[in-house]
Amino acid sequence: AAGVIQSPRHLIKEKRETATLKCYPIPRHDTVYWYQQGPGQDPQFLISFYEKMQSDKGSIPDRFSAQQFSDYHSELNMSSLELGDSALYFCASSFSRVTATSTDTQYFGPGTRLTVL
Amino acid sequence: RKEVEQDPGPFNVPEGATVAFNCTYSNSASQSFFWYRQDCRKEPKLLMSVYSSGNEDGRFTAQLNRASQYISLLIRDSKLSDSATYLCVVNGIYGGATNKLIFGTGTLLAVQP
Repeated sequence: AAGVIQSPRHLIKEKRETATLKCYPIPRHDTVYWYQQGPGQDPQFLISFYEKMQSDKGSIPDRFSAQQFSDYHSELNMSSLELGDSALYFCASSFSRVTATSTDTQYFGPGTRLTVL
Repeated sequence: RKEVEQDPGPFNVPEGATVAFNCTYSNSASQSFFWYRQDCRKEPKLLMSVYSSGNEDGRFTAQLNRASQYISLLIRDSKLSDSATYLCVVNGIYGGATNKLIFGTGTLLAVQP
């Protein structure tokens, strides 16, 4: 079965540079979530989108922005990168049958490992 | 205090052993509960959802006690391939927020030959 696709899988950037992470949800899934997992930490929710509209916002820095496109893929844009942004970034998708408040199961992509030097 | 608390372990058990993980959550508005498994440097993978009536999937049994805000996972006849971090995960609607997952810190299981 098709899974969540994330690209790139690995990314190395310098401080103050920008980065763009991409996520392609499972076909027919309409909701995308972004999570950040620092070394030795549990995943922390950043932001989510339902039907191309932002549905929730977590601990996402103002330097980060994201959007969901008409084909449901999503991009996380990160600017003025800091050393502390080094982490695994996971995208997850789900199919919200009724509304964005549904609690359907989220399936995770393989993640993008971002290293900021 | 974290919203979802777990014993971080590690739990070192021999093959064939039975091991139990516990988890507590603080937000009584939480609506859905899951156990995810995460291998080193990989993505979390859904192991099973947890229902109030309790549910079983092969060697895995999950229980939920809403009154005590307590979730458990029992693994019987442990295999070497069960070695991983087990994440207790809670999902709910908080003050208008929608569907975000709240993770526990995870419990590391190491099954020894």
